[in-house]
Amino acid sequence: DAGVIQSPRHEVTEMGQEVTLRCKPISGHNSLFWYRQTMMRGLELLIYFNNNVPIDDSGMPEDRFSAKMPNASFSTLKIQPSEPRDSAVYFCASSLQGLSYGYTFGSGTRLTVV
Amino acid sequence: DQQVKQNSPSLSVQEGRISILNCDYTNSMFDYFLWYKKYPAEGPTFLISISSIKDKNEDGRFTVFLNKSAKHLSLHIVPSQPGDSAVYFCAASDVGGGNKLTFGTGTQLKVEL
Repeated sequence: DAGVIQSPRHEVTEMGQEVTLRCKPISGHNSLFWYRQTMMRGLELLIYFNNNVPIDDSGMPEDRFSAKMPNASFSTLKIQPSEPRDSAVYFCASSLQGLSYGYTFGSGTRLTVV
Repeated sequence: DQQVKQNSPSLSVQEGRISILNCDYTNSMFDYFLWYKKYPAEGPTFLISISSIKDKNEDGRFTVFLNKSAKHLSLHIVPSQPGDSAVYFCAASDVGGGNKLTFGTGTQLKVEL
């Protein structure tokens, strides 16, 4: 298995533009997580899905952020409009439900909003 | 509200010596604790975990200790090797939260020759 695949690896965009981050989880995993890494707050959970259904989106910072999981093999995190404070590394992870130690992270997307 | 805290942003240790990374938590509902290791430009990878029914778990050079009364856990690496240089994240989950993990801010470990 290729692991969790995220794209793009790097994204530089101008303030106000729409940004879409993509994630392909490991086949067979039924939980998917979006995290954001910053120096101040470490790894913050933004939203997670079980069986393609959003379970907890309390970490989504604002209405500018939205996430979807249309099927078991694909998820997107969208920021519209983007702001400089959204600059961070965004990680997607997947796991089998109920197995905390089973998280597998992707390599992340480094987002820079100028 | 940071429920999992790693108060040391960085730690420098000499090769062969012991590295001790610390983590504190505030949520008494947490019942499972994990350490993840992260190299630059890569995602975090699982290192070792401990259930709240234990106070110690060992895996090779890595040992995690849990002190529930103090809401504190630590990761010991003995002996430390240059390849251990990475960011270490402490994480916790509670049975009521499914398998959602709450992470700390991380500690950058540098093992020097």
